[in-house]
Amino acid sequence: QVQLQESGPGLVKPSQTLSLTCSVSGGSISSGDYSWTWIRQPAGSGLDYIGRVHTSGRTTYNPSLRSRLTISLDTSKNQVSLKLSSVTAADTAVYYCARERFRRGDLHPSLDYWGQGTLVTVSS
Amino acid sequence: DIQMTQSPSTLSASVGDRVTITCRASQSIGIWLAWFQQKPGKAPNLLIYRASSLESGVPSRFSGSGSGTEFTLTVSGLQPDDFATYYCQHYASYSRGTFGQGTKLEIK
Repeated sequence: QVQLQESGPGLVKPSQTLSLTCSVSGGSISSGDYSWTWIRQPAGSGLDYIGRVHTSGRTTYNPSLRSRLTISLDTSKNQVSLKLSSVTAADTAVYYCARERFRRGDLHPSLDYWGQGTLVTVSS
Repeated sequence: DIQMTQSPSTLSASVGDRVTITCRASQSIGIWLAWFQQKPGKAPNLLIYRASSLESGVPSRFSGSGSGTEFTLTVSGLQPDDFATYYCQHYASYSRGTFGQGTKLEIK
């Protein structure tokens, strides 16, 4: 059973860089045809897909965040990282990491496992 | 960028009812659509993938249909545990996933 756990500072100052880590257990992040994604949800709002990194290292980012965003794999620690620079109050949200996988016969990967989420507040 | 629009935004129903939520894509997305259920303070839970395939462990009262630009999620025989917010999501390996804005299913 794959488990994902987000961690990182709960408070970040405006203009600084938000850094989160997703620790994965029950499987290697560098094997298999998987992508590791970040999704966020402002309080009382819907889900916003931030981006993904494939086990190959290939990334896909939300165009609205691309200039500030880096998602990467740390295979030595079996962790996925998110870095979002120049944050503002609009980046305040619960941040989830999740896994995407190709089911048999599928052309595209769908989300299956999610972490519990971590709240990040941007405030001075 | 493909936009996903859900309707209604809020739906009031009673235990035992059959309800339908609609999700429309701004252009054809084939069958690459998933449905999630989310309860307050919890991560979303996958119900349906590939528009109509039921995720393992999900009760059979949940069903999905559609292709192209119009999709539906139906819950037949609502149970108290089903009152939650539901999201559709278009997914594709060549782009970011895009969620609908959500439908809150409330007890009437």
